Amino acid sequence: DAGVTQSPTHLIKTRGQQVTLRCSPKSGHDTVSWYQQALGQGPQFIFQYYEEEERQRGNFPDRFSGHQFPNYSSELNVNALLLGDSALYLCASGEWREYLNTEAFFGQGTRLTVV
Amino acid sequence: LAKTTQPISMDSYEGQEVNITCSHNNIATNDYITWYQQFPSQGPRFIIQGYKTKVTNEVASLFIPADRKSSTLSLPRVSLSDTAVYYCLVGDRDDKIIFGKGTRLHILP
Repeated sequence: DAGVTQSPTHLIKTRGQQVTLRCSPKSGHDTVSWYQQALGQGPQFIFQYYEEEERQRGNFPDRFSGHQFPNYSSELNVNALLLGDSALYLCASGEWREYLNTEAFFGQGTRLTVV
Repeated sequence: LAKTTQPISMDSYEGQEVNITCSHNNIATNDYITWYQQFPSQGPRFIIQGYKTKVTNEVASLFIPADRKSSTLSLPRVSLSDTAVYYCLVGDRDDKIIFGKGTRLHILP
């Protein structure tokens, strides 16, 4: 059983560009959350999706948007990239209301570098 | 969400028991205490969760005193592969997961 899978693993973008990151949740999971982790810091919560709707959002600007598909996979979109958006982007999946602060499963992340 | 305080870093030796303490003075009645482990360039991995007293699994033990204002993650007989960042999280099970800066544990041979 594949766990949480994220693509791509690494990405280099130019300032001002737009980027889309993808996440497939662990089998049986219906909820996906996204996190941004800067070097040396803990992961920061961006938002969470369930039933194709954004359910919770962290303190991130509207440049960060997302989507969840009927098969529970999810995308994170970042517009007008800034150098400060360079980070490891993590996706976590779980079952709605069963996991938020219990056992969430994280993917390996996408390393985004903005130049 | 209750704020947590944990040491920035710790060193220990292979074969030793390691205890990492987390302070959470403002923990609420419905809050659980959860610990995650993260290796470089990987996503965090759930270790253990508890509400009160002691919880043990195949990886670690979690000790929570009666006032629940702190908790201690205990890793028995650590090895070099236990070198990682350990995060203490406190929150209601419906809360989004909020990470602090964690404790960087370095195991020495």
